[in-house]
Amino acid sequence: AQSVAQPEDQVNVAEGNPLTVKCTYSVSGNPYLFWYVQYPNRGLQFLLKYITGDNLVKGSYGFEAEFNKSQTSFHLKKPSALVSDSALYFCAVWWNAGNMLTFGGGTRLMVKP
Amino acid sequence: AAGVIQSPRHLIKEKRETATLKCYPIPRHDTVYWYQQGPGQDPQFLISFYEKMQSDKGSIPDRFSAQQFSDYHSELNMSSLELGDSALYFCASSLVLASTDTQYFGPGTRLTVL
Repeated sequence: AQSVAQPEDQVNVAEGNPLTVKCTYSVSGNPYLFWYVQYPNRGLQFLLKYITGDNLVKGSYGFEAEFNKSQTSFHLKKPSALVSDSALYFCAVWWNAGNMLTFGGGTRLMVKP
Repeated sequence: AAGVIQSPRHLIKEKRETATLKCYPIPRHDTVYWYQQGPGQDPQFLISFYEKMQSDKGSIPDRFSAQQFSDYHSELNMSSLELGDSALYFCASSLVLASTDTQYFGPGTRLTVL
């Protein structure tokens, strides 16, 4: 079965500083990886995905993620954090056998002014 | 751009009652997924439909059933509600049933069972 792990429950960063939210995966075959963001009492918003090609994927709101096959990681990054980036971030992997997304446990990002 | 619509947004039920949640996918999306997110939990896949046929099942209780209609909207029917069913229920849609296709999520229905 496929799985994703988000090793940090919470990440704290000062506004203007770069941020990284970590994700590692375990899949058989080619990984199809996604990042979503969830604001309080809201649905999940799609940020970006890796399917194939360039290891650096650019997404919405200035976010990007780096796919690293040797480290089985797909960390989410942003060069300069905003207070409005504070939210819950989920990494997900598509599971071919089940035709579904499997989510990581989520990481709460807190950006302080 | 049109998004996934879910109704109702909030629902309060008593134990052993039934509930029906509705999902209207993005126009021209023919695949619908249902997820359950418990408090402080990550979303868990329940069931999916492709072209009005059930595609896959996840951790959906036997008390729950769902279907996709001719207009591609979907309904999740929940019977004999239990306290543990209290959660945020998300519907997502995608253009096709494919690993590379992005799932777009609705705002969710918050179900509270008293």
